[in-house]
Amino acid sequence: NAGVTQTPKFRILKIGQSMTLQCTQDMNHNYMYWYRQDPGMGLKLIYYSVGAGITDKGEVPNGYNVSRSTTEDFPLRLELAAPSQTSVYFCASSGQVNTEAFFGQGTRLTVV
Amino acid sequence: RKEVEQDPGPFNVPEGATVAFNCTYSNSASQSFFWYRQDCRKEPKLLMSVYSSGNEDGRFTAQLNRASQYISLLIRDSKLSDSATYLCVVIGPGGEKLVFGTGTRLLVSP
Repeated sequence: NAGVTQTPKFRILKIGQSMTLQCTQDMNHNYMYWYRQDPGMGLKLIYYSVGAGITDKGEVPNGYNVSRSTTEDFPLRLELAAPSQTSVYFCASSGQVNTEAFFGQGTRLTVV
Repeated sequence: RKEVEQDPGPFNVPEGATVAFNCTYSNSASQSFFWYRQDCRKEPKLLMSVYSSGNEDGRFTAQLNRASQYISLLIRDSKLSDSATYLCVVIGPGGEKLVFGTGTRLLVSP
């Protein structure tokens, strides 16, 4: 099983550019999440979704947008990249409330 | 106060040692608790769930103390391969959001 797949694995952006981080899962999970992890820090929730068509802000949503048009996909959009968005981004999914989440391998983003 | 707090470490222990980590959480209505392991530059992976009755998986034992709002992880007979960052994870009252601690780094030396 592929599980949670994120693309790209690495990306360098210039300040002001935009990009979409892709996330797809093949486990038919309703719940999906985007986290960012800065060096030496824990994971901070950016956005999450409890099902297709429903999204909610997490702890650090500013500068990001998401959509959830299908159960499988949960892309994260950066509209105007800033150096503060340099981080590792993890997508995750879980099947039910109060259950563990499964993570993708991460996208390492550098904004210069 | 942070929702989930952990001692960042690092904990430096020799092979064969027993080591314990604690994690405190602020919301008494939190529903579920987990320990994840994260290797350098990799994604977090579930180590074990934490139940009210406590649970054990080989050399690993997890405990939950709801009255004092903390969970613990005990690792016995540490191996070199146990070197990693251990993340405490709490699911809040809504059952939807996983909140991560900053992690505790463990270094096991020969």
